[in-house]
Amino acid sequence: GQNIDQPTEMTATEGAIVQINCTYQTSGFNGLFWYQQHAGEAPTFLSYNVLDGLEEKGRFSSFLSRSKGYSYLLLKELQMKDSASYLCAVRSDYKLSFGAGTTVTVRA
Amino acid sequence: EPEVTQTPSHQVTQMGQEVILRCVPISNHLYFYWYRQILGQKVEFLVSFYNNEISEKSEIFDDQFSVERPDGSNFTLKIRSTKLEDSAMYFCASQGRPEGDTQYFGPGTRLTVL
Repeated sequence: GQNIDQPTEMTATEGAIVQINCTYQTSGFNGLFWYQQHAGEAPTFLSYNVLDGLEEKGRFSSFLSRSKGYSYLLLKELQMKDSASYLCAVRSDYKLSFGAGTTVTVRA
Repeated sequence: EPEVTQTPSHQVTQMGQEVILRCVPISNHLYFYWYRQILGQKVEFLVSFYNNEISEKSEIFDDQFSVERPDGSNFTLKIRSTKLEDSAMYFCASQGRPEGDTQYFGPGTRLTVL
């Protein structure tokens, strides 16, 4: 089975940094993805890790430790538009298995 | 930038009716997927499709569901006899290569079964 855990909600101030953790136990692994989802919209791709370490893309970074079954998404210099749900997803075989998502609220 | 498109954006149907949800994947992509998201819940995998056949399907994807790629561009999901619990957002996704590539999601079709 697939078990992917992430916190339900996080709140942070504009300009700050927030780290969203994700732990997973899955049958099979060939990559971990982070998606952003605004209410009523589709998930949009943020980052992808398949090897251990840090991947940086502008204000967003993602880290993976396969031995620990752990990833985090780091959002820097938070903006109001970053208020959204952030989805951790593990790929195994052909499919993505998603966590329930972390709702991030950015306050002025 | 190429994107996945889906029609209709919103479909309302009566219980027991058949619905067909349509998707146009990104043109050079080879791997196609359907996911659904019931309101307030997580995104769930339904089915993957490659080389004109199903690669993998979930427990949700029972005999009421079918997928088809009727021509070179469209990818459809059919629900033969809709139930109330089929009400959800249905997302199509496509991917170019099997490894090291991202699944790109369409905007979704909101299905409401009355």
